[in-house]
Amino acid sequence: NAGVTQTPKFQVLKTGQSMTLQCAQDMNHNSMYWYRQDPGMGLRLIYYSASEGTTDKGEVPNGYNVSRLNKREFSLRLESAAPSQTSVYFCASSSPGGWNQPQHFGDGTRLSIL
Amino acid sequence: GENVEQHPSTLSVQEGDSAVIKCTYSDSASNYFPWYKQELGKGPQLIIDIRSNVGEKKDQRIAVTLNKTAKHFSLHITETQPEDSAVYFCAAKDSSYKLIFGSGTRLLVRP
Repeated sequence: NAGVTQTPKFQVLKTGQSMTLQCAQDMNHNSMYWYRQDPGMGLRLIYYSASEGTTDKGEVPNGYNVSRLNKREFSLRLESAAPSQTSVYFCASSSPGGWNQPQHFGDGTRLSIL
Repeated sequence: GENVEQHPSTLSVQEGDSAVIKCTYSDSASNYFPWYKQELGKGPQLIIDIRSNVGEKKDQRIAVTLNKTAKHFSLHITETQPEDSAVYFCAAKDSSYKLIFGSGTRLLVRP
């Protein structure tokens, strides 16, 4: 069982470069999410997709865009990376039933922006 | 919106002792409270969750209690083992349907 797979695992960018983080789930889940994790701040929601074809902003969407490519895949794009976007990014998915369904996380992408 | 506070930020216990982590939330409409365990280099893993229609839930050595009146919930780990060492996060689902996380507790179980 792969669950939620994120690529790449590590990436270093220069300020101003663009990058797409990939996420795929094999659990037939409808909902998918992108979070960032910074030291001492827990996880903060960037964007989410309640179902295929829909996306919505979370707590910290500025500087990011997302694409729900199909039911399995949900990508996060940084158009012009900034040092403040240095973080660990986690993708998650959950089954239908709303926000009170457990979310299953990938192992993260560690992104450094110089 | 919802705000979740988690305490303590670090907790060190002797193997075999109990560990308690506490969280408070602000939105009285919140109705779902999961707890996640995160090991080094890994993503968070759900270990237990509770919905607002119950006050307590247990799963082997892990239990969660919920006090809706006081708006706080707690994670209890009994008979701690070295493999329980990790970072633990609480979370609450608020009325806008977003899951809001606490800032995490680093638990160290000393052999």
